[in-house]
Amino acid sequence: GAVVSQHPSWVICKSGTSVKIECRSLDFQATTMFWYRQFPKQSLMLMATSNEGSKATYEQGVEKDKFLINHASLTLSTLTVTSAHPEDSSFYICSARDFGQLINSPLHFGNGTRLTVT
Amino acid sequence: EDKVVQSPLSLVVHEGDTVTLNCSYEVTNFRSLLWYKQEKKAPTFLFMLTSSGIEKKSGRLSSILDKKELFSILNITATQTGDSAVYLCAVEVRGSQGNLIFGKGTKLSVKP
Repeated sequence: GAVVSQHPSWVICKSGTSVKIECRSLDFQATTMFWYRQFPKQSLMLMATSNEGSKATYEQGVEKDKFLINHASLTLSTLTVTSAHPEDSSFYICSARDFGQLINSPLHFGNGTRLTVT
Repeated sequence: EDKVVQSPLSLVVHEGDTVTLNCSYEVTNFRSLLWYKQEKKAPTFLFMLTSSGIEKKSGRLSSILDKKELFSILNITATQTGDSAVYLCAVEVRGSQGNLIFGKGTKLSVKP
Protein backbone atom coordinates (compact mmCIF):
# COMPACT_ATOMS: atom_id res chain seq x y z
CA GLY A 1 0.00 0.00 0.00
CA ALA A 2 0.89 3.65 -0.24
CA VAL A 3 3.55 4.75 2.21
CA VAL A 4 4.11 8.26 3.48
CA SER A 5 7.31 8.99 5.34
CA GLN A 6 7.71 11.94 7.67
CA HIS A 7 10.88 13.23 9.27
CA PRO A 8 11.84 13.96 11.96
CA SER A 9 9.55 12.01 14.26
CA TRP A 10 10.24 14.38 17.10
CA VAL A 11 12.09 17.63 17.60
CA ILE A 12 12.77 19.98 20.46
CA CYS A 13 13.74 23.54 19.64
CA LYS A 14 14.19 26.83 21.39
CA SER A 15 11.70 29.62 21.08
CA GLY A 16 12.46 31.86 18.11
CA THR A 17 14.14 29.21 15.99
CA SER A 18 12.76 27.55 12.87
CA VAL A 19 12.04 23.88 12.31
CA LYS A 20 11.61 22.05 9.02
CA ILE A 21 9.50 18.91 8.69
CA GLU A 22 9.69 16.73 5.60
CA CYS A 23 6.96 14.59 4.13
CA ARG A 24 7.67 12.11 1.38
CA SER A 25 5.49 9.77 -0.61
CA LEU A 26 7.67 6.71 -0.98
CA ASP A 27 6.00 4.61 -3.65
CA PHE A 28 3.69 7.01 -5.43
CA GLN A 29 3.55 10.54 -6.71
CA ALA A 30 1.48 13.08 -4.85
CA THR A 31 0.55 16.35 -6.51
CA THR A 32 -1.27 17.27 -3.34
CA MET A 33 -0.30 16.69 0.27
CA PHE A 34 -2.11 17.78 3.40
CA TRP A 35 -0.67 19.06 6.64
CA TYR A 36 -2.62 18.46 9.83
CA ARG A 37 -1.99 19.51 13.40
CA GLN A 38 -3.20 17.71 16.47
CA PHE A 39 -3.17 19.18 19.96
CA PRO A 40 -3.47 16.87 22.99
CA LYS A 41 -6.85 15.19 23.25
CA GLN A 42 -8.04 16.99 20.13
CA SER A 43 -8.71 15.74 16.67
CA LEU A 44 -6.68 16.37 13.57
CA MET A 45 -7.16 19.82 12.14
CA LEU A 46 -6.20 20.64 8.59
CA MET A 47 -3.64 23.41 8.45
CA ALA A 48 -2.90 23.64 4.76
CA THR A 49 -2.98 21.90 1.43
CA SER A 50 0.34 21.64 -0.32
CA ASN A 51 0.27 21.73 -4.12
CA GLU A 52 3.21 20.70 -6.26
CA GLY A 53 4.35 23.58 -8.39
CA SER A 54 2.06 26.18 -6.90
CA LYS A 55 1.30 27.97 -3.66
CA ALA A 56 -0.13 26.16 -0.70
CA THR A 57 -3.70 26.77 0.39
CA TYR A 58 -4.03 27.63 4.08
CA GLU A 59 -7.01 27.10 6.31
CA GLN A 60 -8.57 30.02 8.10
CA GLY A 61 -6.58 31.08 11.10
CA VAL A 62 -3.31 29.50 9.95
CA GLU A 63 -0.57 32.05 9.33
CA LYS A 64 1.06 31.38 5.99
CA ASP A 65 4.12 33.44 6.87
CA LYS A 66 4.66 31.38 9.98
CA PHE A 67 4.04 27.96 8.49
CA LEU A 68 5.96 27.91 5.23
CA ILE A 69 5.09 25.10 2.86
CA ASN A 70 7.16 24.06 -0.11
CA HIS A 71 6.08 21.26 -2.43
CA ALA A 72 9.28 20.96 -4.38
CA SER A 73 8.59 17.72 -6.22
CA LEU A 74 5.90 15.13 -6.74
CA THR A 75 7.18 13.16 -3.76
CA LEU A 76 8.25 15.81 -1.27
CA SER A 77 6.53 18.52 0.72
CA THR A 78 8.12 20.45 3.56
CA LEU A 79 6.57 22.43 6.39
CA THR A 80 8.77 25.00 8.11
CA VAL A 81 7.62 26.43 11.39
CA THR A 82 9.32 29.81 11.55
CA SER A 83 10.11 31.68 14.75
CA ALA A 84 8.57 28.90 16.77
CA HIS A 85 6.85 29.65 20.07
CA PRO A 86 5.76 27.30 22.86
CA GLU A 87 2.16 27.50 21.64
CA ASP A 88 3.32 25.92 18.37
CA SER A 89 4.16 22.75 20.28
CA SER A 90 1.95 20.10 18.76
CA PHE A 91 1.83 16.93 16.71
CA TYR A 92 2.16 17.69 13.00
CA ILE A 93 1.07 15.03 10.51
CA CYS A 94 1.25 15.02 6.76
CA SER A 95 -0.85 12.92 4.46
CA ALA A 96 -1.26 12.13 0.80
CA ARG A 97 -3.38 10.08 -1.52
CA ASP A 98 -2.23 7.90 -4.37
CA PHE A 99 -4.53 9.18 -7.09
CA GLY A 100 -2.84 6.96 -9.57
CA GLN A 101 -4.05 3.82 -7.87
CA LEU A 102 -7.80 4.06 -7.37
CA ILE A 103 -10.43 6.69 -7.79
CA ASN A 104 -11.46 6.24 -4.17
CA SER A 105 -8.10 5.65 -2.53
CA PRO A 106 -7.86 6.76 1.10
CA LEU A 107 -5.55 9.33 2.60
CA HIS A 108 -2.42 7.79 4.04
CA PHE A 109 -0.60 9.46 6.88
CA GLY A 110 3.00 9.88 7.83
CA ASN A 111 4.02 8.93 11.35
CA GLY A 112 3.87 12.51 12.49
CA THR A 113 6.33 14.92 14.08
CA ARG A 114 6.09 15.79 17.74
CA LEU A 115 7.32 19.38 18.05
CA THR A 116 8.20 20.79 21.44
CA VAL A 117 9.22 24.43 21.66
CA THR A 118 10.95 25.43 24.88
CA GLU B 1 -20.31 24.46 8.72
CA ASP B 2 -19.29 20.89 7.96
CA LYS B 3 -18.86 18.75 11.04
CA VAL B 4 -18.27 15.21 12.18
CA VAL B 5 -19.39 14.07 15.63
CA GLN B 6 -18.27 10.87 17.26
CA SER B 7 -19.68 9.14 20.29
CA PRO B 8 -18.88 8.10 22.86
CA LEU B 9 -15.74 10.13 23.40
CA SER B 10 -14.28 7.36 25.52
CA LEU B 11 -15.14 3.80 26.31
CA VAL B 12 -13.70 1.18 28.64
CA VAL B 13 -14.49 -2.49 28.04
CA HIS B 14 -13.06 -5.88 28.93
CA GLU B 15 -11.44 -8.30 26.57
CA GLY B 16 -13.99 -10.30 24.64
CA ASP B 17 -16.62 -7.58 24.71
CA THR B 18 -18.20 -6.22 21.54
CA VAL B 19 -18.19 -2.47 21.01
CA THR B 20 -19.98 -0.13 18.65
CA LEU B 21 -18.55 3.27 17.87
CA ASN B 22 -20.73 5.95 16.34
CA CYS B 23 -20.07 8.69 13.84
CA SER B 24 -22.59 11.22 12.58
CA TYR B 25 -21.91 13.94 10.08
CA GLU B 26 -23.31 17.08 8.56
CA VAL B 27 -21.52 18.03 5.40
CA THR B 28 -22.39 19.48 2.07
CA ASN B 29 -21.57 17.29 -0.91
CA PHE B 30 -20.55 14.12 0.89
CA ARG B 31 -18.05 11.96 -0.95
CA SER B 32 -16.86 9.30 1.47
CA LEU B 33 -16.48 8.41 5.13
CA LEU B 34 -13.34 6.88 6.52
CA TRP B 35 -12.38 5.19 9.76
CA TYR B 36 -8.86 5.31 11.12
CA LYS B 37 -7.18 3.80 14.16
CA GLN B 38 -4.70 6.00 15.96
CA GLU B 39 -2.38 4.61 18.55
CA LYS B 40 0.62 6.63 19.60
CA LYS B 41 1.50 7.99 16.22
CA ALA B 42 -0.29 8.67 12.98
CA PRO B 43 -3.68 7.24 12.02
CA THR B 44 -3.79 3.97 10.18
CA PHE B 45 -6.51 3.39 7.65
CA LEU B 46 -9.32 0.95 8.45
CA PHE B 47 -12.26 1.48 6.11
CA MET B 48 -13.57 3.76 3.43
CA LEU B 49 -17.33 3.84 2.91
CA THR B 50 -19.10 5.48 0.02
CA SER B 51 -22.37 3.57 -0.33
CA SER B 52 -25.17 3.02 2.14
CA GLY B 53 -25.94 -0.38 3.55
CA ILE B 54 -22.84 -2.19 2.37
CA GLU B 55 -20.92 -3.61 5.28
CA LYS B 56 -17.18 -3.59 5.09
CA LYS B 57 -15.40 -6.19 7.15
CA SER B 58 -11.83 -6.85 8.15
CA GLY B 59 -11.33 -9.58 10.71
CA ARG B 60 -13.11 -8.59 13.91
CA LEU B 61 -13.83 -5.09 12.64
CA SER B 62 -16.75 -4.08 10.50
CA SER B 63 -18.36 -0.84 9.46
CA ILE B 64 -21.45 0.36 7.69
CA LEU B 65 -22.73 3.67 6.39
CA ASP B 66 -26.24 5.13 6.34
CA LYS B 67 -26.30 8.10 3.98
CA LYS B 68 -29.93 8.81 4.63
CA GLU B 69 -29.50 9.18 8.37
CA LEU B 70 -25.97 10.56 7.97
CA PHE B 71 -24.10 8.21 10.24
CA SER B 72 -21.75 5.30 10.35
CA ILE B 73 -20.86 2.71 12.95
CA LEU B 74 -17.69 0.79 13.57
CA ASN B 75 -18.08 -2.56 15.30
CA ILE B 76 -15.33 -4.48 16.99
CA THR B 77 -16.15 -7.98 18.18
CA ALA B 78 -14.21 -10.08 20.69
CA THR B 79 -12.10 -7.08 21.64
CA GLN B 80 -8.45 -7.52 22.57
CA THR B 81 -6.09 -5.26 24.50
CA GLY B 82 -4.39 -4.46 21.21
CA ASP B 83 -7.59 -2.78 20.05
CA SER B 84 -6.99 -0.02 22.59
CA ALA B 85 -6.60 3.16 20.57
CA VAL B 86 -8.38 6.29 19.45
CA TYR B 87 -10.71 5.58 16.57
CA LEU B 88 -11.19 8.49 14.22
CA CYS B 89 -14.03 9.04 11.82
CA ALA B 90 -13.47 11.42 8.93
CA VAL B 91 -15.49 12.65 5.99
CA GLU B 92 -14.33 13.75 2.58
CA VAL B 93 -16.31 16.41 0.79
CA ARG B 94 -16.78 16.53 -2.97
CA GLY B 95 -15.12 19.47 -4.56
CA SER B 96 -12.38 19.62 -1.99
CA GLN B 97 -8.86 18.69 -2.91
CA GLY B 98 -9.24 15.52 -0.95
CA ASN B 99 -8.68 16.68 2.59
CA LEU B 100 -10.66 15.10 5.42
CA ILE B 101 -12.81 16.56 8.17
CA PHE B 102 -12.19 14.63 11.36
CA GLY B 103 -14.30 13.95 14.40
CA LYS B 104 -12.73 14.18 17.85
CA GLY B 105 -12.35 10.43 18.06
CA THR B 106 -13.43 7.72 20.45
CA LYS B 107 -10.81 6.56 22.90
CA LEU B 108 -11.26 2.85 23.42
CA SER B 109 -9.56 1.11 26.32
CA VAL B 110 -9.74 -2.66 26.45
CA LYS B 111 -8.91 -4.12 29.87
CA PRO B 112 -7.55 -7.65 30.24
